[in-house]
Amino acid sequence: EADIYQTPRYLVIGTGKKITLECSQTMGHDKMYWYQQDPGMELHLIHYSYGVNSTEKGDLSSESTVSRIRTEHFPLTLESARPSHTSQYLCASSESGSGPSNYGYTFGSGTRLTVV
Amino acid sequence: GDSVTQMEGPVTLSEEAFLTINCTYTATGYPSLFWYVQYPGEGLQLLLKATKADDKGSNKGFEATYRKETTSFHLEKGSVQVSDSAVYFCALRRWDTGRRALTFGSGTRLQVQP
Repeated sequence: EADIYQTPRYLVIGTGKKITLECSQTMGHDKMYWYQQDPGMELHLIHYSYGVNSTEKGDLSSESTVSRIRTEHFPLTLESARPSHTSQYLCASSESGSGPSNYGYTFGSGTRLTVV
Repeated sequence: GDSVTQMEGPVTLSEEAFLTINCTYTATGYPSLFWYVQYPGEGLQLLLKATKADDKGSNKGFEATYRKETTSFHLEKGSVQVSDSAVYFCALRRWDTGRRALTFGSGTRLQVQP
């Protein structure tokens, strides 16, 4: 049973359209993340959040933006989609804690975006 | 900076063969180490983890031992099944930095043939 939900699973959209990828979790996790996964499988962190009203850019520069108005919700928005945005987008969350982290992330099933 | 290096795939094995997927890491301090698995069309699932040197993580017949002296966390399974076909990611997470995001390896695709 998934505790983190991503919608839609698949999206095909035309160039120039605005899109929002949804990510919600029911575990009360403070930390949430967006990864972009390229066809070669490698994962790149593009955004993360440590709590409400906290968002940071990740390692890979992205034209997308995120918001964190509620703990459980971390949507990603592209104002004007382009073919170069075609990829799989994975959302994840994790527990808080100041000590060694025993826990990794819980991932959603991903959104596969195709921009034509 | 932190990094994780995995052996390149694909790794192709026959059913019941022994599996090793190598993983080495570079990080200061004492990271936690993880293996994730991604089945076709799915997100990543945590397979096993270890938080300190000499810890052994295990799950579903898979094992990995945290070796600080060789900075390694190799994944092993004694007898693979067709259902193990997936992409496997090694990852580390440091808790002594502000960000504490996971650093992933590039993934290794495993194909098990009947």
